[in-house]
Amino acid sequence: DVKVTQSSRYLVKRTGEKVFLECVQDMDHENMFWYRQDPGLGLRLIYFSYDVKMKEKGDIPEGYSVSREKKERFSLILESASTNQTSMYLCASSFPQREDQETQYFGPGTRLLVL
Amino acid sequence: AQKITQTQPGMFVQEKEAVTLDCTYDTSDPSYGLFWYKQPSSGEMIFLIYQGSYDQQNATEGRYSLNFQKARKSANLVISASQLGDSAMYFCAMREGDNYGQNFVFGPGTRLSVLP
Repeated sequence: DVKVTQSSRYLVKRTGEKVFLECVQDMDHENMFWYRQDPGLGLRLIYFSYDVKMKEKGDIPEGYSVSREKKERFSLILESASTNQTSMYLCASSFPQREDQETQYFGPGTRLLVL
Repeated sequence: AQKITQTQPGMFVQEKEAVTLDCTYDTSDPSYGLFWYKQPSSGEMIFLIYQGSYDQQNATEGRYSLNFQKARKSANLVISASQLGDSAMYFCAMREGDNYGQNFVFGPGTRLSVLP
């Protein structure tokens, strides 16, 4: 079974803090993704990575950065957390194949509250 | 324009009955994949079933089946013999074949409640 884990299920931070969200997958997947999920807005892609040290912006990259130093680990960084970044953050991974067949497998999510 | 439409914000079904969750999609790409995910209250998105645009038969996975009607651009999820544990949000998603480097497009979701 694919296993995607996220470092925290719940996180409370203060405005201006630097926040690290960690994601690890154990299936040797090349592709990893970070989404945020908000009521009424659905899932929106923040960043994705197709290989170590490679990253691509998604739909809403502003205010975020990412790091992929190892294949199994993909980190999302909030350089200076703001209250509008309070959200559910979901990490996903996939094995590259023809794009229309590529299934993404998700972690349990991190609920971040920025005060 | 919305690429994935799920018109049922909420659905109720009696335990042990079958339920259909609607999904329509919009694409001009002849090659695409359709996916259904389940999200329980715990938050994890669980992959349920996949249907490719070129697949001749409807996909099935245990109690889940996908009613794929290509001409109507619909990909409804059918859950047979509903169980209390099926209560969750259900998301339809699409990935287009020529959309390399882009993400899944998710629908807004349908909240399913299974009644005892």
